[in-house]
Amino acid sequence: AQSVTQLGSHVSVSEGALVLLRCNYSSSVPPYLFWYVQYPNQGLQLLLKYTSAATLVKGINGFEAEFKKSETSFHLTKPSAHMSDAAEYFCAVSHGNTDKLIFGTGTRLQVFP
Amino acid sequence: GAGVSQSPSNKVTEKGKDVELRCDPISGHTALYWYRQSLGQGLEFLIYFQGNSAPDKSGLPSDRFSAERTGGSVSTLTIQRTQQEDSAVYLCASRGEPGGSNTGELFFGEGSRLTVL
Repeated sequence: AQSVTQLGSHVSVSEGALVLLRCNYSSSVPPYLFWYVQYPNQGLQLLLKYTSAATLVKGINGFEAEFKKSETSFHLTKPSAHMSDAAEYFCAVSHGNTDKLIFGTGTRLQVFP
Repeated sequence: GAGVSQSPSNKVTEKGKDVELRCDPISGHTALYWYRQSLGQGLEFLIYFQGNSAPDKSGLPSDRFSAERTGGSVSTLTIQRTQQEDSAVYLCASRGEPGGSNTGELFFGEGSRLTVL
């Protein structure tokens, strides 16, 4: 069965600093991988997705993630954090476009001025 | 509507009462999912409907939980004899027809917050 592990339930960065949110997956077949963001009191919004095309995926709001099969990782990065990036971020995996998404436990990002 | 709609947005109930939560998916979406979001627990998969296939109920935590999807559209999640540990945000999501431009993305509603006193 597939699963994802998000290392670090809380990450704090200064405004302008690099954002790195970690996600490792487990899957017996080539996975589809997703990052979702949840702003306070809002629903989940897709940031980006990997579906076996380019391994470096660019998403909204300047975020990107790189699929590394050898490391079974799909870490989320952003070169320069903004205050508006403060939110909870979820990594998710599925076996294809007809399968359920399995989510990680989430990482709460705080951005300090 | 343009997005996934859930109701009620907030529900406070007493322990032992039954509750029903409703989800209206995006029009034309054939797949519908229910997840539960508890503080510090991430998103827990509950149940998944795909077209006319038998639903995947593997995530339902107990037999007090059930869901149905009528006419391939609206879904209702029912929790019988609610317990305090059922308190959470219940999220519904939908997804388009497999194939074509569908790459597995789920579209989420804003959730129904359930508080069991």
